[in-house]
Amino acid sequence: EDQVTQSPEALRLQEGESSSLNCSYTVSGLRGLFWYRQDPGKGPEFLFTLYSAGEEKEKERLKATLTKKESFLHITAPKPEDSATYLCAVSPGGGNKLTFGTGTQLKVEL
Amino acid sequence: DTAVSQTPKYLVTQMGNDKSIKCEQNLGHDTMYWYKQDSKKFLKIMFSYNNKELIINETVPNRFSPKSPDKAHLNLHINSLELGDSAVYFCASSQRKRGGPGELFFGEGSRLTVL
Repeated sequence: EDQVTQSPEALRLQEGESSSLNCSYTVSGLRGLFWYRQDPGKGPEFLFTLYSAGEEKEKERLKATLTKKESFLHITAPKPEDSATYLCAVSPGGGNKLTFGTGTQLKVEL
Repeated sequence: DTAVSQTPKYLVTQMGNDKSIKCEQNLGHDTMYWYKQDSKKFLKIMFSYNNKELIINETVPNRFSPKSPDKAHLNLHINSLELGDSAVYFCASSQRKRGGPGELFFGEGSRLTVL
C-alpha cells in the first residue's frame, strides 16, 4: 500500500532561519511527487511536481528535491507569509489519484 | 475567475438529513475528484471521474453518491448524514499526464457540520 510520511508535524522558525521539511514515501512505480501549500480555511495550492530522482524545482524561497525514497522542501530565509501547512503527495504507477501525507505545519515568526 | 468553485462553503445540519455539494471547474480538465479532510487535516480521496466516467470509488459508504453531468461539473449528495461525516470536503480537477493524474487544483472546500 502507498504510504507518505511527513516530518516534522510542526515547525516553528524565526524569520530568516532556513530549514527543510521531509517527505518519505513508499509507492509502487512513482509517477510523480507533489508539494502543496494549504492556508487555514483554504484549499491546497499546488507548488511543485517532481518526476524522477535527482530532480529539483525552485520557486522564490522554496526548493524541492527528490530521491528514490524521499523528498525535501527547503525553505531559505523564510518570511511570516510562508506560514502554512505544507502537504506532500504521491501518484503511484497506473493510478489516477494522489495519496497525501498528513502535512507539516510551519509557523515563521518575526 | 475562480478555477475550481464549490458551493456551499458551509453546511450545518442535523443527523439523518440529506445534503448536496456542487463543484464546477473552468480549467478544461478531464478529471475531477472529491477528497475528504478530517479534523487532523488528513486528505483522503473519495471519488474520481474522468470525462464523466467514475474511475475511483474508495471505501466510502453508499450514502455518498457522486454525479458528474459533464466533465466540468461534479456533485456530491450525502444521504442520512451521521456525526462522523463532519469534515471539509474538497473538490479538485486535473488534466491527466505522464500516465498519472497530473497536478490537482482544489476548490476552497465545503465545511460540513452534522449536529
